[in-house]
Amino acid sequence: DQQVKQNSPSLSVQEGRISILNCDYTNSMFDYFLWYKKYPAEGPTFLISISSIKDKNEDGRFTVFLNKSAKHLSLHIVPSQPGDSAVYFCAASGNNQGGKLIFGQGTELSVKP
Amino acid sequence: DSGVTQTPKHLITATGQRVTLRCSPRSGDLSVYWYQQSLDQGLQFLIQYYNGEERAKGNILERFSAQQFPDLHSELNLSSLELGDSALYFCASSVGASKETQYFGPGTRLLVL
Repeated sequence: DQQVKQNSPSLSVQEGRISILNCDYTNSMFDYFLWYKKYPAEGPTFLISISSIKDKNEDGRFTVFLNKSAKHLSLHIVPSQPGDSAVYFCAASGNNQGGKLIFGQGTELSVKP
Repeated sequence: DSGVTQTPKHLITATGQRVTLRCSPRSGDLSVYWYQQSLDQGLQFLIQYYNGEERAKGNILERFSAQQFPDLHSELNLSSLELGDSALYFCASSVGASKETQYFGPGTRLLVL
């Protein structure tokens, strides 16, 4: 049972435009969400997080939006740069689970110059 | 560089063998996590230790075990290895025990032949 889903395996965007990566979750106990970026042969790199008490968090070019009623979050990257090309994972954590993160399957972003 | 170190980077072994993967967390982090990334499963949580004690457990096989030592480094032991255990194994660390940003190491690539 996939509790965190990233339904788009890949996304291609032009440099300078907005990239929007989406993530859906099914477990209503999740209350902390993170986005990671991963290059091949490297470990995931933390990008941005959001707690369920907020609906938006911004850090430079990265903004995460959380819609709790829809159990949906999205990562916006503006403007997109070729160096943003990587696999992006969303992850979720909830109460009574310690620090366990449940990851989505990832979306491969390609930013074309 | 996340500050999390993992050794070895690569490991090639035969079925039935036993291996030990090692992780040193970031300075000051008390939690260590282990994740497995295989081609068809994505990133799967295995186990978490916090200050030497097991804190959360995922779908970790009985053939696998882990521990966290007094100096906070951790080892993941994989025994009676099977072909399907071939994967990337990531260690992550965080300051606290839950709802914290986890910082990932570069991973150990295990190939079982």
